[in-house]
Amino acid sequence: EPEVTQTPSHQVTQMGQEVILRCVPISNHLYFYWYRQILGQKVEFLVSFYNNEISEKSEIFDDQFSVERPDGSNFTLKIRSTKLEDSAMYFCATERGQHGYTFGSGTRLTVV
Amino acid sequence: GENVEQHPSTLSVQEGDSAVIKCTYSDSASNYFPWYKQELGKGPQLIIDIRSNVGEKKDQRIAVTLNKTAKHFSLHITETQPEDSAVYFCAASSNFGNEKLTFGTGTRLTIIP
Repeated sequence: EPEVTQTPSHQVTQMGQEVILRCVPISNHLYFYWYRQILGQKVEFLVSFYNNEISEKSEIFDDQFSVERPDGSNFTLKIRSTKLEDSAMYFCATERGQHGYTFGSGTRLTVV
Repeated sequence: GENVEQHPSTLSVQEGDSAVIKCTYSDSASNYFPWYKQELGKGPQLIIDIRSNVGEKKDQRIAVTLNKTAKHFSLHITETQPEDSAVYFCAASSNFGNEKLTFGTGTRLTIIP
């Protein structure tokens, strides 16, 4: 079964620091997403990405966030200046269209 | 935008009994309704999904029903087993390509041996 791979699995960072979360999508998938889950809460949409550009972003995805697919394989989420409230599980998801999402196992981000 | 409500938030069921989790959605344009199982420390795993052109879908012990008129859909797990214990999320989308999912708030299902 193909998997979406996320690294690191856990990252601890100081408030104000930049973090980059990485995702390796399934190879023939075309649509890429980042979701966030604050501890004990529901999964929330952050951003979708298709054809090398953002398709849609939520209110959470402000100017501190950016995404890119720099080398055609990795799909990254960057948070420029982390805040305490950015602490959450971040999930990458990819899909080929009409076949449902595959989620990665997530990166637990802890901002201290 | 879409709003998905999910009930109950917690559910305890004796092993072997059935479990039912219900969701309602607000956007009549939504036409894709997946259910995810999330185990501790892992990402959501798709267990079953339904599209708006069908009213029911079954896969072994798991079934999903959809009532488009009432805008609600339900997950049914029969003959529950301890390994069914997890958090279950429903979600809705108005497409299944390049379209975000709106998730429900989750149900923590505990199977009592």
